[in-house]
Amino acid sequence: GENVEQHPSTLSVQEGDSAVIKCTYSDSASNYFPWYKQELGKRPQLIIDIRSNVGEKKDQRIAVTLNKTAKHFSLHITETQPEDSAVYFCAASILTEGGGFKTIFGAGTRLFVKA
Amino acid sequence: GAVVSQHPSRVICKSGTSVKIECRSLDFQATTMFWYRQFPKQSLMLMATSNEGSKATYEQGVEKDKFLINHASLTLSTLTVTSAHPEDSSFYICSARVGTRVDQPQHFGDGTRLSIL
Repeated sequence: GENVEQHPSTLSVQEGDSAVIKCTYSDSASNYFPWYKQELGKRPQLIIDIRSNVGEKKDQRIAVTLNKTAKHFSLHITETQPEDSAVYFCAASILTEGGGFKTIFGAGTRLFVKA
Repeated sequence: GAVVSQHPSRVICKSGTSVKIECRSLDFQATTMFWYRQFPKQSLMLMATSNEGSKATYEQGVEKDKFLINHASLTLSTLTVTSAHPEDSSFYICSARVGTRVDQPQHFGDGTRLSIL
């Protein structure tokens, strides 16, 4: 079945350092990969996404890379700040048999940025 | 834009009660909405896909008679937890997608924390 694996489960970095979160997916038909940030008790917020026809996308301190052959995609946060501390979820959207789609989420990475 | 409102934010009730949670897209029409369940410090588990004007599509292992979903309009989906028991206590969160393309992001509501005593 469909599966999205995410690593690491916990990541602690010093302020100013970079953080990298990696995900793999199982369904080769997946073509959309969003990343969400969830602060404690709050809704997940979309921070960046990438489509299958693109290998890399950057938005200020955040970048995402996609390797469709290997079915890997990664989130890179540079110059981390304490307010980056949160849980980050990768996800992959897949088409269903009925013609709709659903999004499968990774297990999440709890990022701690130490001041 | 793309605001999703979920209500109520918190429910505490006795075992055996049925609880209804509403999910509204405030500034866009959503033909499809999604219902997730999230346990503490865990991921978002898709429960079902709510389709406007038709039956919801439930994920494997989710009891459709337990978790009733109604998507009566393009801006409202409801999840009813019937005869709730303590094991149904969880954080329930809905999302909606703008448009019909698969490569469009989902926008989440604030979630409902359900506690069954």
